Amino acid sequence: DGGITQSPKYLFRKEGQNVTLSCEQNLNHDAMYWYRQDPGQGLRLIYYSQIVNDFQKGDIAEGYSVSREKKESFPLTVTSAQKNPTAFYLCASSMTGKVFAFFGQGTRLTVV
Amino acid sequence: DQQVKQNSPSLSVQEGRISILNCDYTNSMFDYFLWYKKYPAEGPTFLISISSIKDKNEDGRFTVFLNKSAKHLSLHIVPSQPGDSAVYFCAAMATDSWGKFQFGAGTQVVVTP
Repeated sequence: DGGITQSPKYLFRKEGQNVTLSCEQNLNHDAMYWYRQDPGQGLRLIYYSQIVNDFQKGDIAEGYSVSREKKESFPLTVTSAQKNPTAFYLCASSMTGKVFAFFGQGTRLTVV
Repeated sequence: DQQVKQNSPSLSVQEGRISILNCDYTNSMFDYFLWYKKYPAEGPTFLISISSIKDKNEDGRFTVFLNKSAKHLSLHIVPSQPGDSAVYFCAAMATDSWGKFQFGAGTQVVVTP
């Protein structure tokens, strides 16, 4: 059945290491998004992509990088430049022209 | 600066009664507003939306009201059910920034028997 898959659900990394979070969708959606959620805060947009091979920075892109080589995939790399990487990361996708998005189950990243 | 605010972090309501969740925004360019519902350890799921050309949108037990002059929207859930216990996020977007949603911090709703 169709949906968005984020893997892994939990991820632990040592400080200073880059880590890549996976996001795959089989909904045939053009747009994909990465959000970050911290306790007591709303979701904040990191990067988004409206079409393959194109992406734009969101509100908190510093210390993150993305690629969109395939329609189905939008991996997020948390680099060592991200000062506070420990958070819950959510990937989403939406159909062109639709305002609402479908979200994955999230990846909780803990950097120690 | 937070452009979308949900000032009530939590709300407790009795089963069968009305739940009213509030959301305020500061950016007058926002013209699409959404509500999402989120259970623990899951991603948010879309609930209902409204565009700025309307002041009310209804879907079953859920109704969203938009007051553009006050930059305020609310979500009414009638009647509240135990399965409605979740965190509700308000989100807003401007057409010229399609896809760039601003989210509020969320309101935890607990429906009691």
